[in-house]
Amino acid sequence: KQEVTQIPAALSVPEGENLVLNCSFTDSAIYNLQWFRQDPGKGLTSLLLIQSSQREQTSGRLNASLDKSSGRSTLYIAASQPGDSATYLCASLMDTGRRALTFGSGTRLQVQP
Amino acid sequence: DTGVSQDPRHKITKRGQNVTFRCDPISEHNRLYWYRQTLGQGPEFLTYFQNEAQLEKSRLLSDRFSAERPKGSFSTLEIQRTEQGDSAMYLCASSPQILDREYGNTIYFGEGSWLTVV
Repeated sequence: KQEVTQIPAALSVPEGENLVLNCSFTDSAIYNLQWFRQDPGKGLTSLLLIQSSQREQTSGRLNASLDKSSGRSTLYIAASQPGDSATYLCASLMDTGRRALTFGSGTRLQVQP
Repeated sequence: DTGVSQDPRHKITKRGQNVTFRCDPISEHNRLYWYRQTLGQGPEFLTYFQNEAQLEKSRLLSDRFSAERPKGSFSTLEIQRTEQGDSAMYLCASSPQILDREYGNTIYFGEGSWLTVV
């Protein structure tokens, strides 16, 4: 059974810092890995999706990397802003044909102005 | 594109009552998912529909839970004889069925339906 872990659980940084959020998974037979953002009391917004054959994806100030063999993904946020404050979740989709995503518990990010 | 819509957004119910949540996916998305999320945790998969067919069900979906998507459009999630442990946010999501190997599986979530069982 896939298990997804996110470290740290919470992070507080001053505005302008570059930061890295970590995601690890136990079963490397993934189809893809996604990063989501969740604002308090809201649904999830997909940020980046990395296929198992890819190493990284970029969108604006966000860069996500994937190392399938070691079971790790990182989300890099450049020049953080207060508006980046949210919970960031990673989720894996297994390469079994099943559609269920397995989520980590998230990293709660606070960017101080 | 109006996004995934869920109703009601908040529901407070007494233990033992039945509740029903509705989800309207993005039009033309034939895949629909239900997840449950408790405070401080990531969402947990409940069930998946492709068109009107329920193709996957989690073991979390006990016999008190039933989900339907009768015409392949909107879906309902009913919880019978609610228990305090059912208190959570119930998230609906949808995605299009396109060539996964080219376009991946970007999934779009609704704002969720909060359930509080007292």
